[in-house]
Amino acid sequence: EVQLMQSGAEVKKPGESLNISCQGSGYSFTSYWISWVRQMPGKGLEWMGRIDPDDSYTNYSPSFQGHVTMSADKSITTAYLQWHSLRASDTAIYYCARAILWGDGLVFDIWGQGTMVTVSS
Amino acid sequence: DIQMTQSPSSLSASVGDRVTITCRASQTIPNSLNWYQQEPGKTPRVLIYGTSNLQSGVPPRFSGSGSGTDFTLTISPLQPEDFATYYCQQTYSTPWTFGQGTKVEIK
Repeated sequence: EVQLMQSGAEVKKPGESLNISCQGSGYSFTSYWISWVRQMPGKGLEWMGRIDPDDSYTNYSPSFQGHVTMSADKSITTAYLQWHSLRASDTAIYYCARAILWGDGLVFDIWGQGTMVTVSS
Repeated sequence: DIQMTQSPSSLSASVGDRVTITCRASQTIPNSLNWYQQEPGKTPRVLIYGTSNLQSGVPPRFSGSGSGTDFTLTISPLQPEDFATYYCQQTYSTPWTFGQGTKVEIK
């Protein structure tokens, strides 16, 4: 079964660092990009950026550039989303998703179950 | 950035109804438009990719159409399990952007 398994919920204080993970299984991990998507409480979906697990090339949304870092370790088929200094406004559910090419575009066909991050003093 | 605007933001409908949700892009995106469904408390799942291609396993009561800047998602007939929030997404150019969502509620 093709799946993305994300790490568990986190509760952090403002200013702390955090690393959440997304492990792929059941497919060739290096053949598909991984995107990260934020969903703040009661709000919609926001694309944060994507990483190519094969060469770790990244492309960030301007809204998140400089605040988060995406990385991947293909030896353990895992992608990561990292913060060096969390803010209260980072409180959200974070999803990883596999991006598959289909001709003229791409689509997020497999999603992780989401990681809830709560940042509060 | 390409802005995606969905309408309506919410709607009430009955089981068996035909429901249409529209999505407008701020610039042309040929057919690089996807639709996702998110049930309350659940992970999003793709329904339609490339404007009109039905994702494997998705019932044929879901359909998509459009081109350029204007796109639609149609659900007919509406079933109880379809009450959810629907998002469009463009993947023509980065940053790949989502619409704000359309919540389909029970009348």
